[in-house]
Amino acid sequence: GIQVEQSPPDLILQEGANSTLRCNFSDSVNNLQWFHQNPWGQLINLFYIPSGTKQNGRLSATTVATERYSLLYISSSQTTDSGVYFCAVLRDYKLSFGAGTTVTVRA
Amino acid sequence: EADIYQTPRYLVIGTGKKITLECSQTMGHDKMYWYQQDPGMELHLIHYSYGVNSTEKGDLSSESTVSRIRTEHFPLTLESARPSHTSQYLCASSVPSGGYMTETQYFGPGTRLLVL
Repeated sequence: GIQVEQSPPDLILQEGANSTLRCNFSDSVNNLQWFHQNPWGQLINLFYIPSGTKQNGRLSATTVATERYSLLYISSSQTTDSGVYFCAVLRDYKLSFGAGTTVTVRA
Repeated sequence: EADIYQTPRYLVIGTGKKITLECSQTMGHDKMYWYQQDPGMELHLIHYSYGVNSTEKGDLSSESTVSRIRTEHFPLTLESARPSHTSQYLCASSVPSGGYMTETQYFGPGTRLLVL
């Protein structure tokens, strides 16, 4: 099956800092999604981004499908950004998840 | 965002009990999914459905079973719970995203199961 690797595994930020999360995948995909899982376990859909760049407030994402990677940017981080960020790729109608990046934002 | 509901949110139960985790969505989505997630780990697909009377096993082997009698309802059942079933179970449904063979999945709040 398709392999999805996320880096770094853990990230500790001071409030207000910027950061970049990376997602590499091993084969061509039909879609890519970024999720944020909050401390209560809820998965929130951040971006549907098979290619190109999208922005939503302080978050933005870029996927370069030809090079099989995606980046999630967090700017001016806030404590509410804490949680686990998952990248998931869709191929043949099945979603495969990376192991996630655990982000901790300290006040 | 899709409206997907899961009940119960938390469940503590003894070994050997039969349990059913409920999942329902109000958006009329044909495709629905069940994922299992251990703490701090990635999600693994255990079951999926493309529509009424369609169910398939996912990539991760699971002793659970599912049914899809109605479009909006996709329950997961464990006939005899064991401590190894302790995990979080997440239900999802999806909509086409406009591109070729693409879709966007939306997740319910999850059920955290603890089997003693």
